[in-house]
Amino acid sequence: AQSVSQHNHHVILSEAASLELGCNYSYGGTVNLFWYVQYPGQHLQLLLKYFSGDPLVKGIKGFEAEFIKSKFSFNLRKPSVQWSDTAEYFCAVIKAAGNKLTFGGGTRVLVKP
Amino acid sequence: SQTIHQWPATLVQPVGSPLSLECTVEGTSNPNLYWYRQAAGRGLQLLFYSVGIGQISSEVPQNLSASRPQDRQFILSSKKLLLSDSGFYLCAWSVGGGISPLHFGNGTRLTVT
Repeated sequence: AQSVSQHNHHVILSEAASLELGCNYSYGGTVNLFWYVQYPGQHLQLLLKYFSGDPLVKGIKGFEAEFIKSKFSFNLRKPSVQWSDTAEYFCAVIKAAGNKLTFGGGTRVLVKP
Repeated sequence: SQTIHQWPATLVQPVGSPLSLECTVEGTSNPNLYWYRQAAGRGLQLLFYSVGIGQISSEVPQNLSASRPQDRQFILSSKKLLLSDSGFYLCAWSVGGGISPLHFGNGTRLTVT
């Protein structure tokens, strides 16, 4: 069965700092990868996704993620965070032809103004 | 446009009582439907998913069951709630699997007392 690991449960940083959130999955076949974000008081929304092509994908609000197949990783990055990036971030994986989306445990990010 | 409705928003139930949470999707046909439970620090746990009417896949053995009586209706139930059933329950839909992102409802906060 596929599983997803997010290594950091909590991250605290200051505005303008760079952010990188780790995500690793365990499945040897072809996968599609997602990052979702949940802002305080709001429902989950899609940040970005990868399914083929350029392994560096860009999402909304200046976020990007890099798929490294050899490392089974899909790390999320943002060069300079803002206070409004305070949220919980979830990595998720689905088999390319599958229906079951598996989420990681989430990382709570707090950006101090 | 597609919308997802999930109700109730909050629910307080005594141990041993039954449960019924309802989710409906509008504006799309034959969606994949999902029930997740979100717990602090544990991410989103997939409980059930359905790719069609009457087709339910259960991911975690537990005190809950799901049914899909109509194409765009997904119900989460329990005959007798346990304290451990407390949590935040999310319904979601997607058009097929694979690269299609999930669209989440606003969730139901269930407290079992």
